[in-house]
Amino acid sequence: NAGVTQTPKFQVLKTGQSMTLQCAQDMNHEYMSWYRQDPGMGLRLIHYSVGAGITDQGEVPNGYNVSRSTTEDFPLRLLSAAPSQTSVYFCASSYGQAQYFGPGTRLLVL
Amino acid sequence: ILNVEQSPQSLHVQEGDSTNFTCSFPSSNFYALHWYRWETAKSPEALFVMTLNGDEKKKGRISATLNTKEGYSYLYIKGSQPEDSATYLCASGAGSYQLTFGKGTKLSVIP
Repeated sequence: NAGVTQTPKFQVLKTGQSMTLQCAQDMNHEYMSWYRQDPGMGLRLIHYSVGAGITDQGEVPNGYNVSRSTTEDFPLRLLSAAPSQTSVYFCASSYGQAQYFGPGTRLLVL
Repeated sequence: ILNVEQSPQSLHVQEGDSTNFTCSFPSSNFYALHWYRWETAKSPEALFVMTLNGDEKKKGRISATLNTKEGYSYLYIKGSQPEDSATYLCASGAGSYQLTFGKGTKLSVIP
């Protein structure tokens, strides 16, 4: 099993550009989440999903959209990137207990 | 949004020393308490998930205890080794997918 995969690993955007961070898992986990990690802030929940077709907001959802059309995939969309969205983004999946994290995507917004 | 606090923020210990960290969380509406180990340039990996008051879990030299009534958990490392150097995160939340993380305790083990 590949576990949780994320693409790209690193991305540079200009302010106002849009992009999609990809996340996929092959463990048939129902639960998937997106976090951002900023210095001194710890991991903060952006959006989460409890199954295909079901998503909800976390602590810091503004500026991000998600969808969950399949169990495997949970993409995170930045509609109009802002410098405040410069961060490291982690996707995670779970079957109800521990979360399994992807390798992260480092995003720089200029 | 829960308030999950970890202390200390960072810790330096000598190889062979035993150490412990604290995680405090709201005791009301408790669901589960998670501990993760996060090595530099890697992603967090789960150590323990605990749900019951009085729970104790152990993995090798690392163990954890849980007190849901007073809202705290301790993580213990016995005989620290350089490979134990990492940031240790705790998290709590309404469900395993809706976690609030603490800011972590960064452990450095000096050979």
